[in-house]
Amino acid sequence: QSVLTQPPSVSAAPGQKVTVSCSGSSPNIGSNYVSWYQQLPGTAPKLLIYDNNKRPSGIPDRFSGSKSGTSATLGITGLQTGDEADYYCGTWDSSLSAELFGTGTKVTVL
Amino acid sequence: QVHLQESGPGLVKPSETLSLTCTVSGGSASSYFWNWIRQPPGKGLEWIGHIYYSGSTKYNPSLKSRVSIAVDTSKSQFSLKLTSVTAADTAVYYCAAYSGSSADYWGQGTLVTVSS
Repeated sequence: QSVLTQPPSVSAAPGQKVTVSCSGSSPNIGSNYVSWYQQLPGTAPKLLIYDNNKRPSGIPDRFSGSKSGTSATLGITGLQTGDEADYYCGTWDSSLSAELFGTGTKVTVL
Repeated sequence: QVHLQESGPGLVKPSETLSLTCTVSGGSASSYFWNWIRQPPGKGLEWIGHIYYSGSTKYNPSLKSRVSIAVDTSKSQFSLKLTSVTAADTAVYYCAAYSGSSADYWGQGTLVTVSS
């Protein structure tokens, strides 16, 4: 049902940078804040980025978020093995009056 | 710091009603929207709906006809009922607290299997 499209997987070597894209449309990303969540294997999702580019307390500045038009991007620099996880974007859709999550992206550290 | 804990049956028969409760500690009821989110095994996240402490609700349009979320502020709990379940409703169910546009806090999740 999700209308937020993410790449299924991205990968990079330790210490390198990866970006994860989240593509939506005007009623969702184009009109509302985007959040990003990290889900480590077997655990609940955890908030990484809120309001497009803000980090909650305790989230390292290796994680960053940005938004342009109807797309958003999560960036991870200085990649670590502990960053291997599934990452989801999320936002409100003003047309559906529903919260949407992206299709999810698996980040692999080579 | 808000702590959430889901509870309820781990096995529900097809066509019956799935009922879960989320117990909240450490947070003010009026500061958050209280949400239910689910994740089928090996799949992505799906928002089910939310309730504000006043009782106002919003539901996922695809589930709206089968979903009900209620809040009991005296017990610091909110609940989910999903009727006429099928195997497609098998999932890990999470409760989560949104303070604005993001899910700031999540429960650990509870697996509900629909099977006879």
